[in-house]
Amino acid sequence: AQKITQTQPGMFVQEKEAVTLDCTYDTSDPSYGLFWYKQPSSGEMIFLIYQGSYDQQNATEGRYSLNFQKARKSANLVISASQLGDSAMYFCAMRAGDYKLSFGAGTTVTVRA
Amino acid sequence: KAGVTQTPRYLIKTRGQQVTLSCSPISGHRSVSWYQQTPGQGLQFLFEYFSETQRNKGNFPGRFSGRQFSNSRSEMNVSTLELGDSALYLCASSLWLAGGPKSGANVLTFGAGSRLTVL
Repeated sequence: AQKITQTQPGMFVQEKEAVTLDCTYDTSDPSYGLFWYKQPSSGEMIFLIYQGSYDQQNATEGRYSLNFQKARKSANLVISASQLGDSAMYFCAMRAGDYKLSFGAGTTVTVRA
Repeated sequence: KAGVTQTPRYLIKTRGQQVTLSCSPISGHRSVSWYQQTPGQGLQFLFEYFSETQRNKGNFPGRFSGRQFSNSRSEMNVSTLELGDSALYLCASSLWLAGGPKSGANVLTFGAGSRLTVL
């Protein structure tokens, strides 16, 4: 069974500062993919970044970077230079042995001006 | 390039009724997945279709069913609606390239969802 844990229900961050969202996972499958999605209040899930279990380097996509620590089963998302438009719910997700994407409970980020 | 289109966006039903939700994937995407999102249970996987075949199913009762057509469009149906079925239903599509479900090439692109309220 796969499990994703996000322990931060909500976070506040000042505009232009960086914020780190925690994600830990558990799987017995040696091959897996880790994903981060953003869900604004409109409801649509927006893909942010992907990290494969065999990738040697941490993934980066613009202001998003993934701090992947395989031994600790950790895949934290770092958002640099936060903007007001970053206020949303953020989900960590994993795909391992089957076809489904398993999601964590999510972290609400509120960016303050 | 058009995204994933879900219809209807909002609907209200009463207990005991049934509902059909539709999802049109991104052109060229052959895999369609459905998820239910509620405040209490979070995001839960319903089922996934590829080339008109259901490849995987989540832990939901038989009242929840789905299908995929030859043009990759998908529908899901919920019969005998219960209050607890009130949720945001999200559809997602993806390519199916070599590397399988764990490959970054097969990222799921989600639609805006269908928000169902059962009274």
